[in-house]
Amino acid sequence: SQTIHQWPATLVQPVGSPLSLECTVEGTSNPNLYWYRQAAGRGLQLLFYSVGIGQISSEVPQNLSASRPQDRQFILSSKKLLLSDSGFYLCAWYRGSVGANVLTFGAGSRLTVL
Amino acid sequence: AQSVTQLGSHVSVSEGALVLLRCNYSSSVPPYLFWYVQYPNQGLQLLLKYTTGATLVKGINGFEAEFKKSETSFHLTKPSAHMSDAAEYFCAVSGATNKLIFGTGTLLAVQP
Repeated sequence: SQTIHQWPATLVQPVGSPLSLECTVEGTSNPNLYWYRQAAGRGLQLLFYSVGIGQISSEVPQNLSASRPQDRQFILSSKKLLLSDSGFYLCAWYRGSVGANVLTFGAGSRLTVL
Repeated sequence: AQSVTQLGSHVSVSEGALVLLRCNYSSSVPPYLFWYVQYPNQGLQLLLKYTTGATLVKGINGFEAEFKKSETSFHLTKPSAHMSDAAEYFCAVSGATNKLIFGTGTLLAVQP
């Protein structure tokens, strides 16, 4: 069966420090991968998605970047964190035709920037 | 472009009462519609989805939703609320792209 892992689960970082959040999927190949951010009162904001290795689409201009170095690995990064980067980051995947497939979410990574 | 509007960021019901969470969508193509639930500090779990066919969709935990094209709505209902239904609920839409667009969520409180 397929599983999705995110780590770290919780992270407290000072402003200006770097960030790396990792997401891996097991039990599937060539998944579509997504990073969402959930901030208080703002729902779920799509940050990046990837349809294959090295292919990244950015949805909003921001202080973050994403990379997909391997088929089932998706990394969210920042060189210098801002206070506004605080939030709950969710990785998700699906495989198959567009539109009707269900996203499967990881358990999330909670980032607090102080 | 696609978007979702969830009316009411907070909804409170009594245990045993009807649950109604509202969702309106905008889509230039036939939409696929979803409801997800999120319990505190967890990821999201699918409740139900509408793709094509029957407009009344039944999901897990006794929830159901009806796709109404004329009203561009996909409201979530449950006849009788249970304490365990307290969570945040998200409506989402996708179409001819790889992206799933979420609403801002509705936090459901269930009072004893």
